[in-house]
Amino acid sequence: AQSVTQLDSQVPVFEEAPVELRCNYSSSVSVYLFWYVQYPNQGLQLLLKYLSGSTLVKGINGFEAEFNKSQTSFHLRKPSVHISDTAEYFCAVCSNDYKLSFGAGTTVTVRA
Amino acid sequence: GAGVSQSPRYKVAKRGQDVALRCDPISGHVSLFWYQQALGQGPEFLTYFQNEAQLDKSGLPSDRFFAERPEGSVSTLKIQRTQQEDSAVYLCASSLGSGTDEQFFGPGTRLTVL
Repeated sequence: AQSVTQLDSQVPVFEEAPVELRCNYSSSVSVYLFWYVQYPNQGLQLLLKYLSGSTLVKGINGFEAEFNKSQTSFHLRKPSVHISDTAEYFCAVCSNDYKLSFGAGTTVTVRA
Repeated sequence: GAGVSQSPRYKVAKRGQDVALRCDPISGHVSLFWYQQALGQGPEFLTYFQNEAQLDKSGLPSDRFFAERPEGSVSTLKIQRTQQEDSAVYLCASSLGSGTDEQFFGPGTRLTVL
């Protein structure tokens, strides 16, 4: 079985500042890792995913994440946020062929 | 439409009523998933279809929950004798193939059981 822990439930940040959202997972087998974003009143949208290969993954809207197997982490970063990045962010792990397990989410609020 | 659609977007039910939630996946997508998202939580897996076959229903909370996808496209999640603890957002997602393919999510149906 696998589980996902998102260490911060809320992250306030000023516009143009960097942001890091932390995600740790537990699994006894190889995993695939994902970050999804949920804007208000919209469905979840994939930001990026790690399947194999380079541990630094680049996604949409300037986001990137780094897979660290020894620390079982997959932290999400953006060097400079915009007001439009205000949303809820979910880390997820897939350790079989289809079932996603999500963390509880991190709410990012960007202030001017 | 280009995305996954769900209906109704909002549903209020009295405790004990039956409800049916519909999901229209992206055309041609083989895989379809249902998730339950309680307030302040991440989505929790309910069930998985590959075409019309329900390959995993391990996440369904009780035998009051039933899902079907009879023709391999539209899916319905039915909840019988609703309880207050069933109040949540129910999300549907579809993907072209297996779980490592991107899952495209619908906007969800918010169910409130009074």
